[in-house]
Amino acid sequence: DTGVSQNPRHKITKRGQNVTFRCDPISEHNRLYWYRQTLGQGPEFLTYFQNEAQLEKSRLLSDRFSAERPKGSFSTLEIQRTEQGDSAMYLCASSPRDRAYEQYFGPGTRLTVT
Amino acid sequence: GENVEQHPSTLSVQEGDSAVIKCTYSDSASNYFPWYKQELGKRPQLIIDIRSNVGEKKDQRIAVTLNKTAKHFSLHITETQPEDSAVYFCAASGIAGGGNKLTFGTGTQLKVEL
Repeated sequence: DTGVSQNPRHKITKRGQNVTFRCDPISEHNRLYWYRQTLGQGPEFLTYFQNEAQLEKSRLLSDRFSAERPKGSFSTLEIQRTEQGDSAMYLCASSPRDRAYEQYFGPGTRLTVT
Repeated sequence: GENVEQHPSTLSVQEGDSAVIKCTYSDSASNYFPWYKQELGKRPQLIIDIRSNVGEKKDQRIAVTLNKTAKHFSLHITETQPEDSAVYFCAASGIAGGGNKLTFGTGTQLKVEL
């Protein structure tokens, strides 16, 4: 499968714990996006990278959230001191250099905070 | 920022009938409008998109129309089939320059009944 991949697919954690998710974009896609989707809603933008540079962050991304894309390939999203309100599907998307507006999504990581 | 509204939230049609989903957007600078299909537990899948320099685009049984003056765009599915049953999301973004973050509507649950 040459699509966007995300790991883990499911994560259950206790409130206050830290979690880290990984996204592997489609090969040679230089833009990478993180979104959050709650039940019954459309995805909401969190942040995006062009190569290794993080160029935009949503106000939804509190200081407990941090994202990296150290070599311009895979990306990680870390949530520190998780809260029940962080429970959601975290989606990653990537887009190609020549069609930067087309975003292709991964299967997501479903986070449940107990 | 951009705000996208989507209607209806649920739509039930008989197999073979047409389905229409409508979205409005607020930011006149938005110029790219994709539609995603999301089946239960799966990733959002890009099914068709339109850029602001065209008014209509068609791909087999699906078509999208755009009215920039009124700031609304619609998805049309003809000859619906059971496999069309899913949640459909519209989105809007600006293409030029920096990030192309997508602002999504709240989704339409389409059910195609036999």
